[in-house]
Parts: sequence; C-alpha cells; structure tokens
Amino acid sequence: GAVVSQHPSWVICKSGTSVKIECRSLDFQATTMFWYRQFPKQSLMLMATSNEGSKATYEQGVEKDKFLINHASLTLSTLTVTSAHPEDSSFYICSAREGGLGGYGYTFGSGTRLTVV
Amino acid sequence: GDSVTQMEGPVTLSEEAFLTINCTYTATGYPSLFWYVQYPGEGLQLLLKATKADDKGSNKGFEATYRKETTSFHLEKGSVQVSDSAVYFCALSDQGGSEKLVFGKGMKLTVNP
Repeated sequence: GAVVSQHPSWVICKSGTSVKIECRSLDFQATTMFWYRQFPKQSLMLMATSNEGSKATYEQGVEKDKFLINHASLTLSTLTVTSAHPEDSSFYICSAREGGLGGYGYTFGSGTRLTVV
Repeated sequence: GDSVTQMEGPVTLSEEAFLTINCTYTATGYPSLFWYVQYPGEGLQLLLKATKADDKGSNKGFEATYRKETTSFHLEKGSVQVSDSAVYFCALSDQGGSEKLVFGKGMKLTVNP
C-alpha cells in the first residue's frame, strides 16, 4: 500500500533556531499534502494544504511566515518551523493524497515530535 | 463549516468487552467518512471508511455504518483486545470542496487484560 515517510521522528532544538521536517511519498505521486499539528490529548489541527508547484494554503490563525511549507515535487513536502519557541513544541503529522477525487488515498506519516528548549 | 463530534473518553474496558464509539457529523455536501486509529507515538492509520449512505466499513473486527438519516458513523467492535488500546478518530472528507479531512477530537481507549 501507499507509504508516507516522515523525518525526523523526533527533534529537540534550541529556542530561536529553525527546524525542517520532511514528508515523502514513497510509492505514489502526492498531488496534495496536508500538515497537521496535534496538541497533547487533542485532535489534529490542519495547518496548511500544499499542492505541488504552488503556494500552500494556510488555515486561519496559522502564521505562514513561521511555518514555511514547500512542495517542490510530487513526492516531497517540507515544513520548516522558523525561529522556534517553546510554544511550538508539538507533534506534527503530514498526510499525502494521491491524485483524484472521492475521498480516497489519505496516507499519514508517522509524525514528528518537536521539543523546543 | 463541516464538523465531527465524537465521544472523547478516555474509556477503559476489559478484554472481550463490547465497544461503541459514537460519531456524528455536520456537512453541507455528501462527505466520505473515516475512522482512524493512532497507536502511542505513531501517526494515524486508516481503520475503515465509507463513501455513501448505508455503506458499512469493516476492518480488524471493527465496523461502522454510514447513516445519512442520523448523520452518524458509530464505531463498534464485539470483543476488544489489549492490542486495540489506542486513540480513535472519526473524520470526514468533503468531496465537493477542498477534500481536506476534518477530525473529531479523538477518544483514547485502554483495554485491560
């Protein structure tokens, strides 16, 4: 089946530095990728939707200059948390969808635990 | 906008107990419905799905039926196992819109031997 590889699985960084998280679709072309943030004991909050070759669409309240998303190819999307602060500590999950309609084909990465100290 | 409401828990059951997790939705279109499961420290895995009214999704002993008249998609399992301990999310996808997934808040299930 479809596999999405997300790296790193966990990262600890110092406040003020930037962190890049990668999301790769291994055996299919992901025309659309989604980035979610999950707070402890809470649901997934959609941060942004990215389509290959175009700018990401951010959800209301998400700072686009802080959470930079790049979807340069059909198999790779990256999320960069810039100038990270402790409040950015969270679990980030990507999801990729193969082309086509119908609500099929959402595959999730295994998530990245970010801790900002 | 579209939304999903589900039991939040946490819920603790004994092995072989019956499980029901309620899920209702609000959508302007005709959504697809999903149940996802998240094991500790991992991402989400699709458990089952249904794309039209009266469809029944099933997997690993879990079942859920798409009920348009009650806008519900309740998850059931007749006999849970310790390995079913996880967080369960109900979700919908609006096929006519952006096709992004909208999640419920999730319910943590713990099954004791």
